[in-house]
Amino acid sequence: KQEVTQIPAALSVPEGENLVLNCSFTDSAIYNLQWFRQDPGKGLTSLLLIQSSQREQTSGRLNASLDKSSGRSTLYIAASQPGDSATYLCALLTYSGNTGKLIFGQGTTLQVKP
Amino acid sequence: AAGVIQSPRHLIKEKRETATLKCYPIPRHDTVYWYQQGPGQDPQFLISFYEKMQSDKGSIPDRFSAQQFSDYHSELNMSSLELGDSALYFCASSYRPRGNEQFFGPGTRLTVL
Repeated sequence: KQEVTQIPAALSVPEGENLVLNCSFTDSAIYNLQWFRQDPGKGLTSLLLIQSSQREQTSGRLNASLDKSSGRSTLYIAASQPGDSATYLCALLTYSGNTGKLIFGQGTTLQVKP
Repeated sequence: AAGVIQSPRHLIKEKRETATLKCYPIPRHDTVYWYQQGPGQDPQFLISFYEKMQSDKGSIPDRFSAQQFSDYHSELNMSSLELGDSALYFCASSYRPRGNEQFFGPGTRLTVL
């Protein structure tokens, strides 16, 4: 059974810092890995998707990596801003039935202080 | 670009009542997924449909049922509502299953009193 763990559960940093969020998983049989952002009580905003055959993806100040052999992914946020404050979820698209299903980690809640 | 549409956005029900949530996928998307996110929890997979057929089932209570219609929209029917059903319900869609990116709707917040 796939298990997804995100460390740390919460993180508070001053504005401008670079930071890394970690996601680990137990089963490397995945289609892809996706990082989401969620503001309190709001929906899921997709940030980056890394296909199983890829090693990393970049979008603006965000860079996500995937190492299937070690069961790890990281989300790197450069030059953090107060607007980056949110919960970040990693999710793995796993083989299941005909469609696959996303299994989410419990998230890292980030606070960036001005 | 068109996104996934969910209705209603907010719903308040009493215990033991019934609720119906609707999901309209992105045009041309043929696969629909439902997820439930309880307070302070991560989203949990409920059920998925591909080409109007149920594809996979997760931790969906027997009181819940769902279907996908000929126009690919989907409805999640919830009966005998319990306080613990209060959650954010997300619908996602993709074009073809098996590895393609899922695009999420804004969610329906269900509150059971």
